[in-house]
Amino acid sequence: QSVLTQPPSVSAAPGQKVTISCSGSSSNIGNNYVSWYQQLPGTAPKLLIYDNNKRPSGIPDRFSGSKSGTSATLGITGLQTGDEADYYCGTWDSSLNSVVFGGGTKVTVL
Amino acid sequence: EVQMLESGGGLVQPGGSLRLSCAASGFTFSSYVISWVRQAPGKGLEWVSGISGSGGSTYYADSVKGRFTISRDNSKNTVYLQMNNLRGDDTAVYYCASSRGPLYLFDYWGQGTLVTVSS
Repeated sequence: QSVLTQPPSVSAAPGQKVTISCSGSSSNIGNNYVSWYQQLPGTAPKLLIYDNNKRPSGIPDRFSGSKSGTSATLGITGLQTGDEADYYCGTWDSSLNSVVFGGGTKVTVL
Repeated sequence: EVQMLESGGGLVQPGGSLRLSCAASGFTFSSYVISWVRQAPGKGLEWVSGISGSGGSTYYADSVKGRFTISRDNSKNTVYLQMNNLRGDDTAVYYCASSRGPLYLFDYWGQGTLVTVSS
């Protein structure tokens, strides 16, 4: 059971938008920045969003992040087949003194 | 170009030991926190351990505390993970990842090395 809660899967047609939620508590998301990682099939994770809503160089603006209270959201617009992957949220948990991740969300492009 | 290359994985019996290495290049190694994150087959990501740029501070998940030891040699741009008393639930792909900022922000990841604990 992951400390951060994500839906197991989301799906949408090409060109559409999906959002992935990441729910936590005051000891993690509520008081720390959230990062998002994309893991394409058979590859290592890759940083997608950091500090809640910032994109590293090279990440297209189709990907966006937001945070409100103890929840964070990743949005993907203009969905492409190449976006099919697992997506993970992560942050620090001050009570556990540990890095924590969500269980991951599989994005399927219909 | 940033590169992180893990090595040292393999098959080990329960109760055995293994040492993983993570060789990095393309950035100022001593300025970065380096962590190990693992992923059991078909499962999600689990942070295992982290070490500060100087090596003076180390951090561990409760699941490995007392069994795993992280260290680094900045002259070789390499981080190590010594894993002792291995158990079946340690079976996973182990990734090393760099953090230019806080411990929980992983900028770059290696391709991973598979550790299988089985008799």
